[in-house]
Amino acid sequence: DVVLTQTPVSLLISLGGQASISCRSSQSLVHSNGNTYLHWYLQKPGQSPQLLIYQVSNRFSGIPDRFSGSGSGTDFTLKISRVEPEDLGVYYCLQRTHNPWTFGGGTKLELK
Amino acid sequence: EVQLQESGPGLVKPSQSLSLTCSVTGYSITSNYWGWIRKFPGNKMEWMGYISYSGSTSYNPSLKSRISITRDTSKNQFFLQLNSVTTEDTATYYCARSSYGFDYWGQGVMVTVSS
Repeated sequence: DVVLTQTPVSLLISLGGQASISCRSSQSLVHSNGNTYLHWYLQKPGQSPQLLIYQVSNRFSGIPDRFSGSGSGTDFTLKISRVEPEDLGVYYCLQRTHNPWTFGGGTKLELK
Repeated sequence: EVQLQESGPGLVKPSQSLSLTCSVTGYSITSNYWGWIRKFPGNKMEWMGYISYSGSTSYNPSLKSRISITRDTSKNQFFLQLNSVTTEDTATYYCARSSYGFDYWGQGVMVTVSS
């Protein structure tokens, strides 16, 4: 199975600050069709996960441009600029390139 | 608006089967892919499997001998059955649409396996 390693495990950020989360894969996430199926989610306390970014860098509908995704191959990054209280929760990466689809271990974003 | 809602028992005895229903409104399950994901106590998330628009299925090999995902297109519902459960299957179970990633999720149902 593909192992996704997320770092850091937890992140203390001041309101208005910037957060960066890494997701490193044990193998390339480039599909044979050329697409890279690496997605980012946020699970806020008491809620279901919500899709933020799909296929590395595409923001899902309604997601503010404070969220950006980048990367290629095995190394991917989610950046959150101008952190707001509503951004708090656990962030996950997910790969759908290889079966079984696998999630990263999660990064908890908390306010400093 | 696409909405998903899980339902099923919150408590299952060890060795029995866990059965959950996902009811979908606002979108037909004969389009796209429809999956089950679970979150264990702590943060670990696991993709369990999906059923496609055509009814074909794909399962996580770690569950392959125990899992079945089926559907009823007339009711726009899909189902999860997990056999021979143990306490290790205690988790919150989510159904979700898989389009651009899992883009729409149910609210989740907590299932405890305990005698």
